[in-house]
Amino acid sequence: EMQLVESGGGLVQPGGSLRLSCAASGFTFSTSRMKWVRQAPGKGLEWVSDIGSSGGSIYYADSVKGRFSISRDNAKNSLYLQMNSLRAEDTAVYYCARGFDYDGLTGWGRACDIWGQGTMVTVSS
Amino acid sequence: EIVLTQSPGTLSLSPGERATLSCRASQSVSSSYLAWYQQKPGLAPRLLIYGSSSRATGIPDRFSGSGSGTDFTLTISRLEPEDFAVYYCQQHATSPLTFGPGTKVDIK
Repeated sequence: EMQLVESGGGLVQPGGSLRLSCAASGFTFSTSRMKWVRQAPGKGLEWVSDIGSSGGSIYYADSVKGRFSISRDNAKNSLYLQMNSLRAEDTAVYYCARGFDYDGLTGWGRACDIWGQGTMVTVSS
Repeated sequence: EIVLTQSPGTLSLSPGERATLSCRASQSVSSSYLAWYQQKPGLAPRLLIYGSSSRATGIPDRFSGSGSGTDFTLTISRLEPEDFAVYYCQQHATSPLTFGPGTKVDIK
């Protein structure tokens, strides 16, 4: 079974840091583009960041650029999101997701075909 | 940034009825780069449609997608009880990748 499991969420004060992890299983992680998507309480989905299969081709939403850093360890089948200088507006459920490859696509943008269950990040004093 | 607008915000229907959900983009999106997701409360989104009209693995054929350019549609031919949820469209053609605000399909 293809699975993604996030961890590392919690309560953090404004200005603090948190590192999220996502463990992948059941598919070839090392050839998959991966991403983080978040959802604030009662709100819609917001793309946060993307990383290519070998760790390059990294992109961020403007709302997190310069504060968040995405990385991966293919030997450990794991994806990470280092979040610094956290703000109240970063409060959300954070999902890791796999980029879905199919014929006809160019560039790096992908839909998400496998999602984790999400991990909650709360930024509050 | 490509802004996606979904309508209606809420669709109140009965089981067995047909649901038609709209997604309009602020600029043209290649149909290869438009996806639809379903999300139920407390759960992660699930990919329904990719490439504007292709069903993802395991998605029943009562779900169909269509459209091109700036106007896309998700149709559920006959609503089953498990279809009452929030539906999001997404474009992944240009950065930033964006989602629409969602359409909630609830029971009338």
